[in-house]
Formats: sequence, structure tokens, C-alpha cells
Amino acid sequence: EAGVVQSPRYKIIEKKQPVAFWCNPISGHNTLYWYRQNLGQGPELLIRYENEEAVDDSQLPKDRFSAERLKGVDSTLKIQPAELGDSAVYLCASSLAQATYFGAGTRLSVL
Amino acid sequence: QKEVEQNSGPLSVPEGAIASLNCTYSDRGSQSFFWYRQYSGKSPELIMFIYSNGDKEDGRFTAQLNKASQYVSLLIRDSQPSDSATYLCAVNVYGGSQGNLIFGKGTKLSVKP
Repeated sequence: EAGVVQSPRYKIIEKKQPVAFWCNPISGHNTLYWYRQNLGQGPELLIRYENEEAVDDSQLPKDRFSAERLKGVDSTLKIQPAELGDSAVYLCASSLAQATYFGAGTRLSVL
Repeated sequence: QKEVEQNSGPLSVPEGAIASLNCTYSDRGSQSFFWYRQYSGKSPELIMFIYSNGDKEDGRFTAQLNKASQYVSLLIRDSQPSDSATYLCAVNVYGGSQGNLIFGKGTKLSVKP
């Protein structure tokens, strides 16, 4: 069974540029999360989806971040415009019942 | 503000020894508790989860939960150099698939040959 798939793995952009990340969760997992992990820290939730519905986006910086999960499967996370402080690893995760599984992440560097 | 606290380490143990990793959490109502292993440059990998007070064993790993003390630990027996990684404790206020994981900063474990 394929795990959570994310792309791209790495992205380097200049500040003020837009960037988008894509995630395909584990088949059948209705719950999808986007987390951000800064160096030396644990992952922090940005947004959680139950099927197509964003049920918790309280930690998403809505002035520059947006996310969508069309048809309740794949999801995209967008930043526009990116700031230097957005440099981090963006992790997508999915869960069914008890456990949450993470994708490999996208490492974003904003110059 | 729900918090999960871990000693950042590094925790260094010799090969074959028992590594003990500890975690405390602030929300007394938390229902489910998870340990993830994260190798440098990789994503978190689920090792174990525990819901009930007491011990839960899986191979060389034992998770221990004490809800009264708001404390959860992970023991790694017969530690191997391949166990060297950062171990993340995560807590969910809810059980099942509801709610979100709140992570600690992680404890870096180094197992010396």
C-alpha cells in the first residue's frame, strides 16, 4: 500500500514569490492534515480536513496561506506571497481511526 | 494552550542498553498518546500509540502511560545504533481519528556502538 505522497520534495524560491505543495493521502483515509515543522521543533498543525471540509484551520495564516482538498482526496497548500519565515518542512499526513501517517514532506527555502 | 514537553537531549546510551524517553502533557483530558521516530532529514514515523494507563509492549519498545501524573514514556530495550534519531511525543485530546496531534519538540537519542 502506498503511503502519503507529497511533491515537490524540495523548493527554493525568492521572497514574495508564490509556492504550492501537493499531497495525495493514503487511499481511504478521510482525514488529511498539513503540518509545518521548523528546525528543532515538532510539527505544528496548519489545517485539518475531514473529506472536503476544513474542520480546523485556526492555525493557518489566512492572509497568505490557502489550502484546498477537492473531491476529498488530493490536497494543495499554497503560500502567496512567501516570506523568509516560511522556510520550513511542510508535512502532509492522513489518518483513519487511530494512527496518523506522514508523507516525506516538502522542504521550502525562501531566499 | 495545550503543551507537550520533552527533554531535547541529546540522550546518549551505549549499544545494548535501555533508552528511556519521557514526555509530559498539560491537558488532563488528553485521550491518546503517540511516539514517532524521526531520522535526520526524514518525516516522522509512527512507532507506537497508547490509550490506557499502564504499559504497552511491541518488540523492543514499551510505551508507559500515567494519566494521573500526565506522563508518558518510551523505553527502548537492547538499543541499537540504528535507533539513533529524534523521538517525538504527540498527544491528542480526542481518541480515534478526531482532533489533532500536538507534538513535543522531540528528544534526540544517540546510541553509541
